[in-house]
Amino acid sequence: DAMVIQNPRYQVTQFGKPVTLSCSQTLNHNVMYWYQQKSSQAPKLLFHYYDKDFNNEADTPDNFQSRRPNTSFCFLDIRSPGLGDAAMYLCATSRDWEYQETQYFGPGTRLLVL
Amino acid sequence: DAKTTQPPSMDCAEGRAANLPCNHSTISGNEYVYWYRQIHSQGPQYIIHGLKNNETNEMASLIITEDRKSSTLILPHATLRDTAVYYCIVRVAGANNLFFGTGTRLTVIP
Repeated sequence: DAMVIQNPRYQVTQFGKPVTLSCSQTLNHNVMYWYQQKSSQAPKLLFHYYDKDFNNEADTPDNFQSRRPNTSFCFLDIRSPGLGDAAMYLCATSRDWEYQETQYFGPGTRLLVL
Repeated sequence: DAKTTQPPSMDCAEGRAANLPCNHSTISGNEYVYWYRQIHSQGPQYIIHGLKNNETNEMASLIITEDRKSSTLILPHATLRDTAVYYCIVRVAGANNLFFGTGTRLTVIP
């Protein structure tokens, strides 16, 4: 089945130690998104790629970066994780950048910062 | 962005219809109403969307008032697997951003 895959499902890192989360998709969608969801809160968009074009949300901290080496894969890099970065990180895709396009979400990676 | 208001929580008996309301009184004429849900520890899942007509699919029905200032998501026969947080989202025209509100936590009771 076509899907959005996130690995690992759980990631533990140390305070200040860089960490990378990965997302892959078999939907061949043009747009890939990263959301952050803290405990008991709604998901919040960090940034998205439309093909190779990167679009950062205005309030996304500089500590968060992203890479999309090809259509199928997208990575979220946290350069120096702080305790406040502990959250669920959700990857999503959509076929295109039309506002009625459905977004398909992966299961998420839960990040714990020690 | 048009803001949405939803009750924080609701209960529904298994097998009964679950009616989840959403207020979006500042919605613009070209903005769609979307519903997603998030089951515990999973990613959000698309349910349904509409502009001004009522919509139905295999998961749910969406009823939008004539003035478009509110809508109701209907799960016709709720099951325990429908226990989740349900998000009503108004899509910003010309962009594909999803701005999630606080959502309604629906608990289906046996």
